[in-house]
Amino acid sequence: DTEVTQTPKHLVMGMTNKKSLKCEQHMGHRAMYWYKQKAKKPPELMFVYSYEKLSINESVPSRFSPECPNSSLLNLHLHALQPEDSALYLCASSQGARRLDIQYFGAGTRLSVL
Amino acid sequence: KQEVTQIPAALSVPEGENLVLNCSFTDSAIYNLQWFRQDPGKGLTSLLLIQSSQREQTSGRLNASLDKSSGRSTLYIAASQPGDSATYLCAVGRSNDYKLSFGAGTTVTVRA
Repeated sequence: DTEVTQTPKHLVMGMTNKKSLKCEQHMGHRAMYWYKQKAKKPPELMFVYSYEKLSINESVPSRFSPECPNSSLLNLHLHALQPEDSALYLCASSQGARRLDIQYFGAGTRLSVL
Repeated sequence: KQEVTQIPAALSVPEGENLVLNCSFTDSAIYNLQWFRQDPGKGLTSLLLIQSSQREQTSGRLNASLDKSSGRSTLYIAASQPGDSATYLCAVGRSNDYKLSFGAGTTVTVRA
């Protein structure tokens, strides 16, 4: 099973809302990632968790707050977002035992901020 | 900073023709290079991973080559099919962190 599951698939939220994106994998991977992808652009790395600890934060605004409750689960908490934050949010995981193993991506959450 | 370029941005071919997709990168000190496929509005599917010590990787109709010294990788797809229509992205990995530098992708349309 090489599946990374993201929920919800679509999300519409207002600028004052609080919502969360969820990502789950059961491959025993110890590295998990959040990416943001705008239309017709490549994915941009936001956060990396390694062994449940935040190892990379690509200077992402504090209105995005990641959380890794356990080795299988990664959340992205959203608060006071702006319309320009509308994008496809992708989660990925990799073995983590060695850096830069193959990354397996989820199908993404399509976020629209009104 | 690693810059990754994919040319052309879009490609349309008739079914059965072989596809050649190009990826170039500016810093040859790479750890590995991955080719991904992305269908519209979907996530990325890893197609091939080439370690920096390798020259090529093959999987079915796909073959990817790597020339570190010239900063180039090429993805060949033999006997294209309409189901191959998608955007193909290459991504270069550094040795000292988890970051991938992505190209902007080549959008392929295979006409039946």
